Amino acid sequence: EADIYQTPRYLVIGTGKKITLECSQTMGHDKMYWYQQDPGMELHLIHYSYGVNSTEKGDLSSESTVSRIRTEHFPLTLESARPSHTSQYLCASSEPRGDEKLFFGSGTQLSVL
Amino acid sequence: KNQVEQSPQSLIILEGKNCTLQCNYTVSPFSNLRWYKQDTGRGPVSLTIMTFSENTKSNGRYTATLDADTKQSSLHITASQLSDSASYICVVSDRGSTLGRLYFGRGTQLTVWP
Repeated sequence: EADIYQTPRYLVIGTGKKITLECSQTMGHDKMYWYQQDPGMELHLIHYSYGVNSTEKGDLSSESTVSRIRTEHFPLTLESARPSHTSQYLCASSEPRGDEKLFFGSGTQLSVL
Repeated sequence: KNQVEQSPQSLIILEGKNCTLQCNYTVSPFSNLRWYKQDTGRGPVSLTIMTFSENTKSNGRYTATLDADTKQSSLHITASQLSDSASYICVVSDRGSTLGRLYFGRGTQLTVWP
């Protein structure tokens, strides 16, 4: 079982609201990632981090931002939620040895009305 | 274009039966291929990793194969159980960067009926 936690599990929010999705891991992994997943579709990388104070945009254009002030914490923020942001958001981390095995959290299902 | 294609998109089998899921990829250069299992409402969990030199690898009732020449992989599930109902995702890594770019398939949704 992976020690990576996401909160909240479910979030229903109105358009225009600011939201932060939390992700924490206790494995000491330097690499962390945020993926977006829609039903029946592949995971899309939206942000990643090599370590503290390192953040990069992924392949999928996203209006979200991330921060990495502590190794174990990698929150994702949407300044103004829109219905197009409705999706499943998965946080993951990986070990430093380079075989890219991902450890995923249980995800946050976001619905923007 | 680097892609990962999985088939079938969905599959229904009876408990106790065997099944095989397919993954074809065009990713180059190739580093490794992983199969993940994603239960409904959960994040994916790694089942097995295949590197270039490996043809077959087993993890309990799961057996993965890799043909690097034809760029195909399969995941065989033996004596299926109800708990095998999940989405199975094929992920291929290249060596294009230190991060190791990952390419995800859309998954095969497996349903096991009693």
